[in-house]
Amino acid sequence: EAGVAQSPRYKIIEKRQSVAFWCNPISGHATLYWYQQILGQGPKLLIQFQNNGVVDDSQLPKDRFSAERLKGVDSTLKIQPAKLEDSAVYLCASSLGDLTLGPINTGELFFGEGSRLTVL
Amino acid sequence: KQEVTQIPAALSVPEGENLVLNCSFTDSAIYNLQWFRQDPGKGLTSLLLIQSSQREQTSGRLNASLDKSSGRSTLYIAASQPGDSATYLCAVSRNTGKLIFGQGTTLQVKP
Repeated sequence: EAGVAQSPRYKIIEKRQSVAFWCNPISGHATLYWYQQILGQGPKLLIQFQNNGVVDDSQLPKDRFSAERLKGVDSTLKIQPAKLEDSAVYLCASSLGDLTLGPINTGELFFGEGSRLTVL
Repeated sequence: KQEVTQIPAALSVPEGENLVLNCSFTDSAIYNLQWFRQDPGKGLTSLLLIQSSQREQTSGRLNASLDKSSGRSTLYIAASQPGDSATYLCAVSRNTGKLIFGQGTTLQVKP
């Protein structure tokens, strides 16, 4: 079974430029997550999708970050304009969990390799 | 607000030693707890998932326990090997599936 695919693996940009990351979840997984992991810290949830709807984007800096999951499969995360503090690894994860069936209590998450962003 | 803390932040042990990594969380209303492994420059690999109704899970040399009432979990690694060197992350799940992570414990196992 193919895992969660992410691209690009590495990106270096200057501040105020824009960048986009792509994620393809495991086939059949209804829930998709984008996490930000700053060096030396644990991952922090940016946004969670249930199919193509947003479940939680409370920690997404909406003035510069946007994300979409068209057709409930692939997802893109965009940063525009980037700041120095956006330097981090952006991790995409997916799980089978379907909120329409009730609270997720067996939602094992599977992560991709991540996209490492350096903002100069 | 749920907070997850992992102690110690770093650990260095000789090969063959048994070791325990600790995780504590402030809100006991969790749905499950997961332990992950992260190698440098890599994503997260799920090691063990403990449902809120369970007390422990085992996989090979790994054993994870969960005590919801005290807000604690431990990951026990038996007979450590150099290949176990990595960062270990603990995360608790809300009812929406959202994971809240600790900052991790970086383990080095010396040959």
